[in-house]
Amino acid sequence: EAQVTQNPRYLITVTGKKLTVTCSQNMNHEYMSWYRQDPGLGLRQIYYSMNVEVTDKGDVPEGYKVSRKEKRNFPLILESPSPNQTSLYFCASSSHRDLNTEAFFGQGTRLTVV
Amino acid sequence: GNSVTQMEGPVTLSEEAFLTINCTYTATGYPSLFWYVQYPGEGLQLLLKATKADDKGSNKGFEATYRKETTSFHLEKGSVQVSDSAVYFCALSDGAGANNLFFGTGTRLTVIP
Repeated sequence: EAQVTQNPRYLITVTGKKLTVTCSQNMNHEYMSWYRQDPGLGLRQIYYSMNVEVTDKGDVPEGYKVSRKEKRNFPLILESPSPNQTSLYFCASSSHRDLNTEAFFGQGTRLTVV
Repeated sequence: GNSVTQMEGPVTLSEEAFLTINCTYTATGYPSLFWYVQYPGEGLQLLLKATKADDKGSNKGFEATYRKETTSFHLEKGSVQVSDSAVYFCALSDGAGANNLFFGTGTRLTVIP
């Protein structure tokens, strides 16, 4: 089954404690991205990657890092989380061969930073 | 730049009512337009899409037509069901070398029996 898997689904952490949210896809997609979803703001892109070792900033990259060492994985790293990073996070992937193709989303990670 | 303006919610309808959720966009170039749906506790799923002017996307009784002259992509359904209760997102992809999606703020739809 084609899917994007995020872990964990829920996470509560304290300010300043480094954390990683993992994302993995089994569709051999070149393109992957991270979004955060906040009430009244919709989804905003944090970072994206067009292929292995190729990443770029989205609209709201401050406070986040990513890496793309393997095609299937695209972890999101918060080196020093702060309460304003409390949000619902989604990973997405799509094939880069067709720029109008469907994006597949993970089920989301609800992060609370206290 | 690219942006999507979507009808504010929430929207509450009775079963079998007609649904319209308005969406307008601003884009450079020739964007593709999408509607994604998010059911409670789940990620987003593609509902329908249109890749060029005058295209009509349709799926599960929902329709939307890509109107370049009015820069709109309104979502419609003739008769909603309780199972359609979800959050609906309008989005565009500018196709400028990456599959970056720009989303509206989302519209929560609740259908009551």
